[in-house]
Amino acid sequence: QKEVEQNSGPLSVPEGAIASLNCTYSDRGSQSFFWYRQYSGKSPELIMSIYSNGDKEDGRFTAQLNKASQYVSLLIRDSQPSDSATYLCAVLSSNTGKLIFGQGTTLQVKP
Amino acid sequence: NAGVTQTPKFRILKIGQSMTLQCTQDMNHNYMYWYRQDPGMGLKLIYYSVGAGITDKGEVPNGYNVSRSTTEDFPLRLELAAPSQTSVYFCASSYLDSYEQYFGPGTRLTVT
Repeated sequence: QKEVEQNSGPLSVPEGAIASLNCTYSDRGSQSFFWYRQYSGKSPELIMSIYSNGDKEDGRFTAQLNKASQYVSLLIRDSQPSDSATYLCAVLSSNTGKLIFGQGTTLQVKP
Repeated sequence: NAGVTQTPKFRILKIGQSMTLQCTQDMNHNYMYWYRQDPGMGLKLIYYSVGAGITDKGEVPNGYNVSRSTTEDFPLRLELAAPSQTSVYFCASSYLDSYEQYFGPGTRLTVT
């Protein structure tokens, strides 16, 4: 089992729809979770962090965390073509104190 | 602020050559990291540093070396380049250990 697992996609949604990106992790001791956005040929950029169970909203983005089920998700409301990118889930390892990244989910928002 | 800068942007190496990837940050962050990203894969930690003079291995350190003589600079050295080191290399920095990392633009390295 991979430490951090994401569906590589591509996930295709129409403009204006809600995009739902999911991530599961194996480290039960993990307490900190991050979503990075990476445009093609560019570097990752932090867009959300979440530390407590439940939802955290920031503009059109909502991160959801369920530690009991060991999953974290990212919802993007009113998706725009500019949201087309790869979204990387990162989990802070309770063993090493370092980030473990998933392979990323590619999102395509079609006009 | 320039943030995190990396040079060069692109490089082609022959097998057995050596090179240094440069990384500089101007945010006064103590924590710095080197990652590699292979196509369709997530980022793998190569080395990290918690401050000037202190470095440690990450998940995939073999074939690489680092040094940290100043807070700003964290160069990554490749000795005896191998095709398996073909990748995109990202340098990152953060104020707190592993939290809210800021990434440089990356160096695309090809070893042939």
